[in-house]
Amino acid sequence: IAGITQAPTSQILAAGRRMTLRCTQDMRHNAMYWYRQDLGLGLRLIHYSNTAGTTGKGEVPDGYSVSRANTDDFPLTLASAVPSQTSVYFCASSEQYTDTQYFGPGTRLTVL
Amino acid sequence: GIQVEQSPPDLILQEGANSTLRCNFSDSVNNLQWFHQNPWGQLINLFYIPSGTKQNGRLSATTVATERYSLLYISSSQTTDSGVYFCAAPLGNQGGKLIFGQGTELSVKP
Repeated sequence: IAGITQAPTSQILAAGRRMTLRCTQDMRHNAMYWYRQDLGLGLRLIHYSNTAGTTGKGEVPDGYSVSRANTDDFPLTLASAVPSQTSVYFCASSEQYTDTQYFGPGTRLTVL
Repeated sequence: GIQVEQSPPDLILQEGANSTLRCNFSDSVNNLQWFHQNPWGQLINLFYIPSGTKQNGRLSATTVATERYSLLYISSSQTTDSGVYFCAAPLGNQGGKLIFGQGTELSVKP
């Protein structure tokens, strides 16, 4: 079944550790996005990529980095995790930058 | 940047009832999307509707771009409609950089 996969499903991480959240889509969509969802704050865009080889900053990019080496993969890296990065992280994709966005199942991250 | 506000924040319905959810946005948009997050956390795109009206089964949506609002109609609600409904509009009218509203939490009782 075509769609977006995210890994891991959930993770508990010690503060200061490095962590990469993986996102893969098999729909050959050009654009991909990372959001975080927090109670009371809703969904907020972290980083995005319009097409392979390009990335851009969203609303809350600090403490996160992304890369887009190919069309299918869009990993999100926390270089040195902090407790405020405890959240549910969603990856999404769209055929073009302005199109309907489709979401992955999410990764629940807890930083202690 | 654009502000996206949804109302009501919470809604409880009896199964079979109809409802209207509202989304107001502060700037003109070329991209307005409605999503449903089910109780298990999965986010599903319902409508891509920068203007006009669309229908999908019991759900329909209308966006009046000139007046900066969008409405989501749910008819003959079912318990499976429960969850949180989000609308989202682009930051700075820039395509995919979506700003989400705070959502409307819908609970449909049997």
